[in-house]
Amino acid sequence: QQPVQSPQAVILREGEDAVINCSSSKALYSVHWYRQKHGEAPVFLMILLKGGEQKGHEKISASFNEKKQQSSLYLTASQLSYSGTYFCGTEIPGSARQLTFGSGTQLTVLP
Amino acid sequence: DVKVTQSSRYLVKRTGEKVFLECVQDMDHENMFWYRQDPGLGLRLIYFSYDVKMKEKGDIPEGYSVSREKKERFSLILESASTNQTSMYLCASSPSMPTEAFFGQGTRLTVV
Repeated sequence: QQPVQSPQAVILREGEDAVINCSSSKALYSVHWYRQKHGEAPVFLMILLKGGEQKGHEKISASFNEKKQQSSLYLTASQLSYSGTYFCGTEIPGSARQLTFGSGTQLTVLP
Repeated sequence: DVKVTQSSRYLVKRTGEKVFLECVQDMDHENMFWYRQDPGLGLRLIYFSYDVKMKEKGDIPEGYSVSREKKERFSLILESASTNQTSMYLCASSPSMPTEAFFGQGTRLTVV
């Protein structure tokens, strides 16, 4: 039931853009995005609910396509501080808020 | 600040031992989760609980059980630890409304 994330890893230079994708085989109620730095707990970035709403957080934004059961995270003009592993988490309708995560995308931003 | 506290950062246990991992949250959240994190596999849900004494199996419940006797505390139990349960274990909590989940710092369990 884990959502599928792609790519598995991305290496960027500062200032470049990146897109991380998350897809599910099941209809979704919500999609969460988290970032985890090495040795630390995952930290919440944003949540997207049914309705296809796009959200933003500084230069990080995300979209949610309900019909395709997909979400994408957009990192614009990346900074060194964006390095880490990004996880998408999904909730399925009627699942009593069971939050299931993908395998993660490791993002490395180089100077 | 919301706090999710896991009782140990590091644990070393022997094969066959019964192991308890404890998690406490201080925000009166309804939902609590236990995940296992392994390289390349992401965060895999073991069990979650949406109320006191209520629990649901996640994707990998085999070899684990849980207990939630009080709203703030969610325990993960390894009845008979095995070496393939060596991993990082993360606890999380969230309210019933659709909003963020908060994670603990994790427990690195090594079974020898």
